Amino acid sequence: DTEVTQTPKHLVMGMTNKKSLKCEQHMGHRAMYWYKQKAKKPPELMFVYSYEKLSINESVPSRFSPECPNSSLLNLHLHALQPEDSALYLCASSQVAVNYEQYFGPGTRLTVT
Amino acid sequence: SQQGEEDPQALSIQEGENATMNCSYKTSINNLQWYRQNSGRGLVHLILIRSNEREKHSGRLRVTLDTSKKSSSLLITASRAADTASYFCATDGGGTASKLTFGTGTRLQVTL
Repeated sequence: DTEVTQTPKHLVMGMTNKKSLKCEQHMGHRAMYWYKQKAKKPPELMFVYSYEKLSINESVPSRFSPECPNSSLLNLHLHALQPEDSALYLCASSQVAVNYEQYFGPGTRLTVT
Repeated sequence: SQQGEEDPQALSIQEGENATMNCSYKTSINNLQWYRQNSGRGLVHLILIRSNEREKHSGRLRVTLDTSKKSSSLLITASRAADTASYFCATDGGGTASKLTFGTGTRLQVTL
């Protein structure tokens, strides 16, 4: 199974809402990632988890809170977002080693109203 | 930003023609990867070339890497309508978990 799944596919939320994005993989990968992608732009790395521990935070605002409850799951908790946070949020996973590719999920299209 | 640059930004060709995309980057790398993204969807890994490799092939794909010039190219031969997508190069700067920095992307349109 080389699939990374993400739920929900689409999410519309108000600026005062709290919501969560979920990501799951069953490839035995111990590195998981969150990316943000605005329209017609490349993905930008947000967070990296390695062996369920946060290893990289690319100076992401605290209204985004990642969580890795186990080796298969990755969550992104959202609170008090701004309209400019509207984007495609992509999850990925990979081996924890050099020179391995990342496997991406289909993404969650987030709209903040 | 350490983002790489890709050119052209957009490329329109006919089915059967070859497509070449170029990528330039700024920092030292462990490897360079190419990904494809169909409109508004997830990325699919195409090929990885290590910093000590100069050329790599996979099916209709040929990738070159010139670390002295900090540049790479992706050639898709005999293109098909199904190759229509955005193509991104991504550099992996190291660490035990890969940390990818994506280029600006090339939007490829293949027409019948």
